[in-house]
Amino acid sequence: SQQGEEDPQALSIQEGENATMNCSYKTSINNLQWYRQNSGRGLVHLILIRSNEREKHSGRLRVTLDTSKKSSSLLITASRAADTASYFCATASIPYNQGGKLIFGQGTELSVKP
Amino acid sequence: DSGVTQTPKHLITATGQRVTLRCSPRSGDLSVYWYQQSLDQGLQFLIQYYNGEERAKGNILERFSAQQFPDLHSELNLSSLELGDSALYFCASSVDGGSNQPQHFGDGTRLSIL
Repeated sequence: SQQGEEDPQALSIQEGENATMNCSYKTSINNLQWYRQNSGRGLVHLILIRSNEREKHSGRLRVTLDTSKKSSSLLITASRAADTASYFCATASIPYNQGGKLIFGQGTELSVKP
Repeated sequence: DSGVTQTPKHLITATGQRVTLRCSPRSGDLSVYWYQQSLDQGLQFLIQYYNGEERAKGNILERFSAQQFPDLHSELNLSSLELGDSALYFCASSVDGGSNQPQHFGDGTRLSIL
């Protein structure tokens, strides 16, 4: 079963615009991670935010985490055609020393038009 | 390039057969994970190994088994294959298998059951 619900399922924007994707989850977590998947390829790790963090930045990416609402958002600023991909949130819920199992959401399909 | 190598890239076989998927983790990573990605189930965690030992188990069918060898490569064995086993199977690796780490994914093996 999947932990996360992602919203929207699909998003189409113009180059230069910002893209915001949301993720909600059900159980308490140790951390939440965002991954990107280009069509037919493996997932690429983008950013990890720990449960005691509220916001994190990496280049054009900004991730927020609200543990009281069990939700996270990923903002991509000044999007480019190369950002076209599926984006997944994944949660790690078990203690650090008991493994790294990730539970993934269904993903958001982002299309950035030139 | 994530540094994680999966072979073969594509596999076509028939119901009732048995296949072996192989994964070489990123240099220096001790932990290997297996995930299944399908249209109806999304990305599902199957199993994790750390330094040759099973660390965490997910939604892995009894017909499926895995192991991690002393050289740290891993194999996922799928037997008595059914049409519903058609999916993308991903291997990922991380440094020490804890939950507070990014995972590095291979490009997957696409399994088609005819």
